[in-house]
Amino acid sequence: SQQGEEDPQALSIQEGENATMNCSYKTSINNLQWYRQNSGRGLVHLILIRSNEREKHSGRLRVTLDTSKKSSSLLITASRAADTASYFCATGANQGAQKLVFGQGTRLTINP
Amino acid sequence: DAGVIQSPRHEVTEMGQEVTLRCKPISGHNSLFWYRQTMMRGLELLIYFNNNVPIDDSGMPEDRFSAKMPNASFSTLKIQPSEPRDSAVYFCASSLGTFLGIQYFGAGTRLSVL
Repeated sequence: SQQGEEDPQALSIQEGENATMNCSYKTSINNLQWYRQNSGRGLVHLILIRSNEREKHSGRLRVTLDTSKKSSSLLITASRAADTASYFCATGANQGAQKLVFGQGTRLTINP
Repeated sequence: DAGVIQSPRHEVTEMGQEVTLRCKPISGHNSLFWYRQTMMRGLELLIYFNNNVPIDDSGMPEDRFSAKMPNASFSTLKIQPSEPRDSAVYFCASSLGTFLGIQYFGAGTRLSVL
C-alpha cells in the first residue's frame, strides 16, 4: 500500500528541545504533506514538499524528503508546549489512485 | 473565510437509527473529502467529490453509507441503519485544484452509536 508510516508512534520531550518525526512510504509520490492535529480538532496543513524537492522550511519547521529511501522527516526546533499534538504525513501517489493517503501519526508531547 | 463547517459537532444515537452528517466546504474549493478517524484504523478516506461529482467511493465501508453533494456548497454523509462499530470522528475536508493539493479540514463530527 502507499500509506505512510510515521516513526515513532509517540514522542515525549522537554520544552526547548528539538523533535524529529519520520515518515516512510512505499510507492512513487507526487508530493508529501505534513499535518498537525490538536486533541479534539481537525487536521491542519503544515508543509507540502514535492517529489523534486529535498528540503523545505517554515518557521520552526524543517521537512526533508529522500525519494531514494522513500522517507521524509519533520523537525520542530525549539519546541513549545503548544506544539503538543499528533503529526501526520500524507502521501500523494503520481500514478494510480489520485488521492492523499494518511499515516497513523506520531503523538508528540512537549513537557514544560 | 469561516473554513470548512461541519454539523453537528457531536451526535449520539441508538443502533438502527439514521444519521446524517453535514459539511459546507470553503467557498471556491472544488474538491470535497469525507474521512473517518478511529484509534484502531486511523484516518480513512471514505469518498471524495470533484465539482460535485463522486470520483472515488471505494472507501465507503458498506451500503449503509451514502454521500451526496447536491451543490458546490453542501455535502451530506448518511448512515442508515447505524451500528455501534460506526462510532468514530467523521471529518470533511475541501481543497482547491488537484486531489493531491492541500486539504482544509473541518472540526469533525464525533458520532457515538449506542
